[in-house]
Amino acid sequence: EVHLVESGGGLVQPGGSLRLSCAASGFTFSDNYMGWVRQAPGKGLEWVGRIRNKVERYTTEYAASVKGTFTISRDDSKNSLYLQMNSLKVEDTAVYFCAREFYFKYDFWGQGILVTVSS
Amino acid sequence: QSALTQPASVSGSPGQSITISCTGTSSDVGGYNYVSWYQQLPGKAPKLMIFDVRNRPSGVSDRFSGSKSGNTASLTISGLQAEDEADYYCSSYTTSDTLYVFGTGTKVTVL
Repeated sequence: EVHLVESGGGLVQPGGSLRLSCAASGFTFSDNYMGWVRQAPGKGLEWVGRIRNKVERYTTEYAASVKGTFTISRDDSKNSLYLQMNSLKVEDTAVYFCAREFYFKYDFWGQGILVTVSS
Repeated sequence: QSALTQPASVSGSPGQSITISCTGTSSDVGGYNYVSWYQQLPGKAPKLMIFDVRNRPSGVSDRFSGSKSGNTASLTISGLQAEDEADYYCSSYTTSDTLYVFGTGTKVTVL
């Protein structure tokens, strides 16, 4: 059974940094593309970015709203996905979901982790 | 890239059928057959219900079906049940400044 578990969320001041982790199990993590999606309180889903697999040289793509401030990485030896968030703004407050990307769809999702940016 | 347009809410009685629309552009919904639909129960993670416009993942009820015409995709729920009450989001691959775009979301209420 596929499991994705996010961690590392919490309260951070504007301008601060935070690193989210996502631990994966139940599938061959290294073969798959992985992504992050966020949801601001009471709002809809927003795609954040994704990272390809080793075959595709771990290349990344990001939403325009986070490009240059967020970085996605992975450690296949630990079956883990990461989201490094720098220069955080109040509008980055959201629940962040990690998800497995499989042929243009996100078929498995973590439970989400709350990031609150506030002074 | 603007979000895909969905109605804010749709309602129906048990046993009825409802349809949720998802309108985009030729750069997303109209240009690719990579439209997905997700169900989100309150406080839960999204669940994939439909992919590639009309395909259902294993385990998803056949009461859920998808289609597309031009720049608009649709999700139909037949034989509406109380457990279908949730938020539904469409998503599409896009060639704009973001790789994927989600819809604005639709709250389904079972009367």
